[in-house]
Amino acid sequence: GNSVTQMEGPVTLSEEAFLTINCTYTATGYPSLFWYVQYPGEGLQLLLKATKADDKGSNKGFEATYRKETTSFHLEKGSVQVSDSAVYFCALGANTGFQKLVFGTGTRLLVSP
Amino acid sequence: DTEVTQTPKHLVMGMTNKKSLKCEQHMGHRAMYWYKQKAKKPPELMFVYSYEKLSINESVPSRFSPECPNSSLLNLHLHALQPEDSALYLCASSHTGDQPQHFGDGTRLSIL
Repeated sequence: GNSVTQMEGPVTLSEEAFLTINCTYTATGYPSLFWYVQYPGEGLQLLLKATKADDKGSNKGFEATYRKETTSFHLEKGSVQVSDSAVYFCALGANTGFQKLVFGTGTRLLVSP
Repeated sequence: DTEVTQTPKHLVMGMTNKKSLKCEQHMGHRAMYWYKQKAKKPPELMFVYSYEKLSINESVPSRFSPECPNSSLLNLHLHALQPEDSALYLCASSHTGDQPQHFGDGTRLSIL
């Protein structure tokens, strides 16, 4: 079946450091890929998405490229801020009718000043 | 600001109580979802409604009863819950089943 594997957290960085959160997936067919972010006490917010191979999703300085050859969708940001501290979920949606999202376990990011 | 509104934000109930969670969206989305999220875990899908009809029930116990009265509103009726049902309950919606889902901020439920 479909699955998503994310790197274990927490990831601890200083402000303005470079961020990478690894995400790999296993899926049949051609899924869509998503990154969601969850701030403390809130629901999930869609951060970015990609629907086919080589698509690059980007938003708020974050970006991720759909790599079919490595089955990966790593999240990157060039310079993190304290306000980026949150839990990040990589998710996969099968493009068959309903987006039954399969989530990774989540990666907590802690950014210190 | 989230475009999916959930009420109440917090709910404490006893195991014999009956309560309901409410979710509302005005984005014209035709698919709506209920998820359960335990602490430090990803959300787990419970139900999917498409065009106001129940499309997916992920083998959820009958003490959880969903309802979709119209295209903007989704309810989750709760009865005789167990302490292990304490969690954050998230509602989401999408334009159609194959579009990205937009989440509300959730209802934090505690069962005494």
